[in-house]
Amino acid sequence: GAGVSQSPRYKVAKRGQDVALRCDPISGHVSLFWYQQALGQGPEFLTYFQNEAQLDKSGLPSDRFFAERPEGSVSTLKIQRTQQEDSAVYLCASSTPGPGEDTQYFGPGTRLTVL
Amino acid sequence: SQQGEEDPQALSIQEGENATMNCSYKTSINNLQWYRQNSGRGLVHLILIRSNEREKHSGRLRVTLDTSKKSSSLLITASRAADTASYFCATPRMDSSYKLIFGSGTRLLVRP
Repeated sequence: GAGVSQSPRYKVAKRGQDVALRCDPISGHVSLFWYQQALGQGPEFLTYFQNEAQLDKSGLPSDRFFAERPEGSVSTLKIQRTQQEDSAVYLCASSTPGPGEDTQYFGPGTRLTVL
Repeated sequence: SQQGEEDPQALSIQEGENATMNCSYKTSINNLQWYRQNSGRGLVHLILIRSNEREKHSGRLRVTLDTSKKSSSLLITASRAADTASYFCATPRMDSSYKLIFGSGTRLLVRP
């Protein structure tokens, strides 16, 4: 079946612009995660949804970052007034509860470059 | 903040050779996971080892875990050019197991 998809794959924004990044999780997956990956580093957790509820947003770097998942499926990560330090790859992952630990399935990411 | 640190940061080997990557972590864990990331692609889950396991195999992959040393190793045997990628270890936080904490990765280059 289809995996996690993200769009756009690449986004170039001028400093100060708002951007919206989309994630389509695997159909039926309850949990959705956003991570930020700086160049040469591992991903860092941003936020977690269970269905439409945002249960953890402790990793969002500032109040310019906002995520939503209104119908419990597609999610959007919005960054307002982008800054150069926001340049990174934004990864989305989804998982579904099951026996044992939950494997997170990652999308290809959106590479954001802020000029 | 990063939980795990991979070693080495970069590794270059000839096709057919074995590749070993190490991961050290700081706090107690329930499990440790290894992921692969190809250039331009997302992370792919490779293998999960639980804290009560010492070794696990999956195809050409062998993972070991030493909880007393807070370290894990990933061995790729008979490497192929297609194994060229970055490899990350990740551990879920004990207090919020959905939150994966990744290391900084090992960049593996397999020369044909």
